[in-house]
Amino acid sequence: NAGVTQTPKFQVLKTGQSMTLQCAQDMNHEYMSWYRQDPGMGLRLIHYSVGAGITDQGEVPNGYNVSRSTTEDFPLRLLSAAPSQTSVYFCASNPGTSGRGSYEQYFGPGTRLTVT
Amino acid sequence: GNSVTQMEGPVTLSEEAFLTINCTYTATGYPSLFWYVQYPGEGLQLLLKATKADDKGSNKGFEATYRKETTSFHLEKGSVQVSDSAVYFCALNTGGFKTIFGAGTRLFVKA
Repeated sequence: NAGVTQTPKFQVLKTGQSMTLQCAQDMNHEYMSWYRQDPGMGLRLIHYSVGAGITDQGEVPNGYNVSRSTTEDFPLRLLSAAPSQTSVYFCASNPGTSGRGSYEQYFGPGTRLTVT
Repeated sequence: GNSVTQMEGPVTLSEEAFLTINCTYTATGYPSLFWYVQYPGEGLQLLLKATKADDKGSNKGFEATYRKETTSFHLEKGSVQVSDSAVYFCALNTGGFKTIFGAGTRLFVKA
């Protein structure tokens, strides 16, 4: 199993550009989430999905869109990049109710995004 | 609401020193508790977990005991190594999609 994969690893954007951060998991997990990590602020939840076709907002959703057309994929779209979106982005999945019972998160390696 | 509070860092220790990172939580119901570790340039990975009161999670020499009476889940290691230098996150989950993370504690271990 590859686990949770993210692409790209690094990205530089100019203000106003748009892009999609890719995330995929091969563990058949129900739940997937996007977090951003900023110095001194821990992890903040951007959007999450509890299954294919179902998404919802987290703590800091403004400026981001998501979709979940398949169980495996959960892309994050930046609509019009701003310097405040400079951050490290992590995708995570967890199996939810499908057997493990403890809801542990599996994280991807992250995407470092800089917006100039 | 649910929350996790962990001690601020950075924590700087010499190799072979004893480590404690404090974590307390507020939650309704009976959460599962976790410690995640993030090595430089990497994503978070699960270090250990406990799913009910008085459970002890352990891995790689690290331990934490789920204390419901004090709502705590402190991380300990008897003898740290340089390779333990990382950021450690305490977290809880009450049985749904959402995991609540603490702010993280950076550990530096000097040779």
